[in-house]
Amino acid sequence: QVQLQESGPGLVKPSETLSLTCTVSGDSVSRFYWSWIRQPPGKRPEWIAYIYNSGTTNYNPYLKSRVTISVDTSKNQFSLELSSVTAADTAVYYCARGGGWDDAPVPGFDYWGRGALVTVSS
Amino acid sequence: DVVMTQSPDSLAVSLGERVTINCRSSQSLLHFSNNKNYLAWYQQKPGQPPKLLIYWASTRESGVPDRFSGSGSATDFTLTISSLQAEDVAVYYCQQYYSTPRTFGQGTKVEIK
Repeated sequence: QVQLQESGPGLVKPSETLSLTCTVSGDSVSRFYWSWIRQPPGKRPEWIAYIYNSGTTNYNPYLKSRVTISVDTSKNQFSLELSSVTAADTAVYYCARGGGWDDAPVPGFDYWGRGALVTVSS
Repeated sequence: DVVMTQSPDSLAVSLGERVTINCRSSQSLLHFSNNKNYLAWYQQKPGQPPKLLIYWASTRESGVPDRFSGSGSATDFTLTISSLQAEDVAVYYCQQYYSTPRTFGQGTKVEIK
């Protein structure tokens, strides 16, 4: 059974960098697509980025200048950094398997973490 | 970006009745190379992440009850719950994976009348 778990600070100050890590069990981050998705309270999910095959990345152009996604295969983790945060970045952040359709058990996002609420506030 | 628009925003239906949710994309999600529609549907209950129900517009994910079905092509899609159960109360989202950025509809909230 594939499981994902987000970890990181729940409170980040404006202008600072939000950093989250997703620990994966039951699958390897060396294969398939792995994504970060966020969901502000009461709003639709917003895809942030994916990493594929431990190196290929793709970013939401609206966030691209502030986002970095990376992978640590030795720990079977992948991570998100979002710089220069503002209150608009307050959301539940999810890590998920998926994001691509060409090399995936199924297209779409089939496994999700429980989510991490990150609040941007001074 | 592909804009996904769902209708209605919410609906209340009696137990056992049929539920129909519509999703429209701002451009065709039908890929000429494989004749597949690059659309998925998700169910989200309060305090939980979205759950994948359907992909390729009409293929049910493993373990999803057969009262859930998806249909449509190109720019117009439908999620149908044939007989609403109490556990189906949730927000439903469509999502396209035809192009990046991947985008979701605004959601449709389903409640019991």
